[in-house]
Amino acid sequence: DIQMTQSPSSLSASVGDRVTITCRASQTIAGWLAWYQQKPGKAPKSLIYATSNLHSGVPSRFSGSGSGTDFTLTISSLQPEDFATYYCQQYNSYPITFGQGTRLEIK
Amino acid sequence: EVQLLESGGGLVRPGGSLRLSCVVSGFSLRSYGMSWVRQTPGKGLEWVSGISDSGGSTYYADSVKGRFTISSDNSKNTLYLQMNSLRAGDTATYYCAKDGGSGNPPYHFDYWGQGTLVTVSS
Repeated sequence: DIQMTQSPSSLSASVGDRVTITCRASQTIAGWLAWYQQKPGKAPKSLIYATSNLHSGVPSRFSGSGSGTDFTLTISSLQPEDFATYYCQQYNSYPITFGQGTRLEIK
Repeated sequence: EVQLLESGGGLVRPGGSLRLSCVVSGFSLRSYGMSWVRQTPGKGLEWVSGISDSGGSTYYADSVKGRFTISSDNSKNTLYLQMNSLRAGDTATYYCAKDGGSGNPPYHFDYWGQGTLVTVSS
């Protein structure tokens, strides 16, 4: 199985900050990497797929990059509604696996 | 508008069975594969099982292989997860999720249901 490791596990930031979350795969996943946002008590929402493609309706302050085994999610200017938990997911092969999550909190 | 609505969760004793359903609208199960993903309370996400758009291929996590069965009924626009021999470790919120592409899985998930809680306890 491909292991996905996110860092940091938690992050405190302020509105307007630029933040970056990293996701590392235990083997190459050829760009088949997605990011999700989850708020307490809600289902995950799709943000980015295939490393850098924004899901419909996702604000342009979200961006993704990377290749091979190392990927990043960047939020260019944090908004109040962005405080949530973020998960990466590889879908290069079964079993599909997720990172452990990064909790983004208000400083 | 794409919508996914799960049902069937509840309290079940260890060793018992439960069937989850996910009714979809806004797209056809003939065109997109689906998956079940679970989340234990306060924990992360775990992919459980997937089915191809044709229904001809199914996939399972090792943790549920031989105990869970995924299926779909295109005429009812419904995805199912039959869960047998349930264990305490299966306690989680179960989400159905739609594949973000079609033809050659696996895929990312572009839409998720709201989840249904399964509790396995005596």
